[in-house]
Amino acid sequence: KAGVTQTPRYLIKTRGQQVTLSCSPISGHRSVSWYQQTPGQGLQFLFEYFSETQRNKGNFPGRFSGRQFSNSRSEMNVSTLELGDSALYLCASSEREVDTQYFGPGTRLTVL
Amino acid sequence: AQSVTQLGSHVSVSEGALVLLRCNYSSSVPPYLFWYVQYPNQGLQLLLKYTTGATLVKGINGFEAEFKKSETSFHLTKPSAHMSDAAEYFCAVSPNKFYFGSGTKLNVKP
Repeated sequence: KAGVTQTPRYLIKTRGQQVTLSCSPISGHRSVSWYQQTPGQGLQFLFEYFSETQRNKGNFPGRFSGRQFSNSRSEMNVSTLELGDSALYLCASSEREVDTQYFGPGTRLTVL
Repeated sequence: AQSVTQLGSHVSVSEGALVLLRCNYSSSVPPYLFWYVQYPNQGLQLLLKYTTGATLVKGINGFEAEFKKSETSFHLTKPSAHMSDAAEYFCAVSPNKFYFGSGTKLNVKP
């Protein structure tokens, strides 16, 4: 099976812009989680979706949002970008909730 | 509340030496436990996991971990380090959602 794919791999934006990141889970996986990884804060949980419903949400401002489609593909959106949003954004998929997570390669977002 | 503590943000070993990366967790319910490895500019790769059953779990690349309930620990070991093991390692616990530790960067000296 193909692994988790994330697009784009690299992205450069300026402050105030918005960005949409995409994640395609492993075929048959219905759960998708998003994480932000920075050198200072480490891995931080953003949100988890299962069957198009947000199941869990991390402690991030409302500028961060996401959704999951009926084919389990997921997108996350960050509006009004700030310099501190520069990070590696990781997507992970699993067959069920509370199951082994398999990670994609990440999207490296740089905000100038 | 659930949490994961990885002792030592940086660990350095010589090639061929024992690798020991420490992980302690707190969980109000029996947890699932995981170790992941991350190479530079890549995602996390699953090394091994404990769900139920045998407490000594073997993973990829010669790594293993032992679940010790009395010590609430899940330390990762490898008998002989290889240069290719240099990476960042994350411990995670999942009682109802994933909680990751802060990571340990392993440096392997020639």
